[in-house]
Amino acid sequence: GENVEQHPSTLSVQEGDSAVIKCTYSDSASNYFPWYKQELGKGPQLIIDIRSNVGEKKDQRIAVTLNKTAKHFSLHITETQPEDSAVYFCAASFYGGATNKLIFGTGTLLAVQP
Amino acid sequence: DAGITQSPRHKVTETGTPVTLRCHQTENHRYMYWYRQDPGHGLRLIHYSYGVKDTDKGEVSDGYSVSRSKTEDFLLTLESATSSQTSVYFCATQGADTQYFGPGTRLTVL
Repeated sequence: GENVEQHPSTLSVQEGDSAVIKCTYSDSASNYFPWYKQELGKGPQLIIDIRSNVGEKKDQRIAVTLNKTAKHFSLHITETQPEDSAVYFCAASFYGGATNKLIFGTGTLLAVQP
Repeated sequence: DAGITQSPRHKVTETGTPVTLRCHQTENHRYMYWYRQDPGHGLRLIHYSYGVKDTDKGEVSDGYSVSRSKTEDFLLTLESATSSQTSVYFCATQGADTQYFGPGTRLTVL
C-alpha cells in the first residue's frame, strides 16, 4: 500500500545552523507534498507545500525540494531559531475512494539549541 | 486554522462506553477528515467525508463510525471504547489541495 518514510525521527541543531528532513514515498502517482509543523499541544499547521510539476520551492528560511524520479522530497530550514523547535511531518497525496488523501510520515522532532 | 473547532478538547472515559467527538468548521469546505495521532505512527486516517451524508473509511476505521448531517459538522463515534483507542484525535478540512487541522481532542480510555 501507499507509504511515506521520514528521517530522521529526531534532530538536534545549534541555533543558526541548517536542518534537513527527508521523506520518501511509494506511490508514483502522488502529486502533492505538504509539510506541517506541530507545536506541543496544538494541531499540525501547514508551513510549505510543493506540487509534482515543480522541483523546488522557497519561502524565506524554508525550502522544499522534490525528486520525482527517486520519489523523495526534503525540507530545508536555514538559520534555525529556537522557535523552529517542533515536530515536523511530511505527507504525500494519493487518490483512493472519493478524493485525494494524504499519507503522513511518522514525524521528526526538531530541537534548536540556543 | 480555517475556523475549525473540536469538542471536547479532553476526555477520560471507561472501556465499553460510547464516545462522540465533534468537529465544527466555518469555512464551508466540502471535505472533512478524522485522524488519530499516536507516537511512532504519525497521523493515520480514520474516516473522511466528501459531502453531507457521504463518508468513507480510512486506514484505521475499525471500531469507529462517523456522521455528517450538515456541511459544518463531522462527528466521530466510538461505539464501545477500548484502551487501544486512547489517542489524540484531529479533525481536518480540505480547501483545494490543502488540509487544515483543528486543535485536537485528547481521549483517554481507562
